[in-house]
Amino acid sequence: GAVVSQHPSWVICKSGTSVKIECRSLDFQATTMFWYRQFPKQSLMLMATSNEGSKATYEQGVEKDKFLINHASLTLSTLTVTSAHPEDSSFYICSASPNYEQYFGPGTRLTVT
Amino acid sequence: DAKTTQPNSMESNEEEPVHLPCNHSTISGTDYIHWYRQLPSQGPEYVIHGLTSNVNNRMASLAIAEDRKSSTLILHRATLRDAAVYYCILRDVMFDHGGSQGNLIFGKGTKLSVKP
Repeated sequence: GAVVSQHPSWVICKSGTSVKIECRSLDFQATTMFWYRQFPKQSLMLMATSNEGSKATYEQGVEKDKFLINHASLTLSTLTVTSAHPEDSSFYICSASPNYEQYFGPGTRLTVT
Repeated sequence: DAKTTQPNSMESNEEEPVHLPCNHSTISGTDYIHWYRQLPSQGPEYVIHGLTSNVNNRMASLAIAEDRKSSTLILHRATLRDAAVYYCILRDVMFDHGGSQGNLIFGKGTKLSVKP
């Protein structure tokens, strides 16, 4: 149990375009999901906390107008990288929690050319 | 959440036990000690967690010092599939699910290499 999926697993896009990443909790409901970003050889950095039915809470230094988060249901949160640039290339990981523990998705590798 | 200190890297031989240390001298009384690991190009995976007593599960054992200022993750027989970055994370048991306090704060972790 407690499986989190992400789609797509990898994506390549051109600079200036937008990319949507989906995070789903497959066998539990999650009122809160978290979005992390990980650059090569670095640790995970929290970007934002996604709350079902309300606005996301962004960490300092993360542009909310660039990284749009929608948490439309108890099993789905989406992260849209708008007007992507090469510096947005990274590994994006979501997590969700049915209780105290957090379960992570497999990550989405974004490459912006 | 309090800070943890881990060695940057460790090496182990396959089928031998591995002891991964973590120092957390500023741990508070309500902090749980969590261990996650991240295999290459994958999301983190929960390993084990504990508060005061030593804990065992199918993946590993967690030995917690009596003063709780340090802990050790024990892999009883390392396999090649255990090669990963292991993160020791403290999280207060009293977290607000509606805010960022519920998230996990990742340090640099320990990169474990397993030699055949």
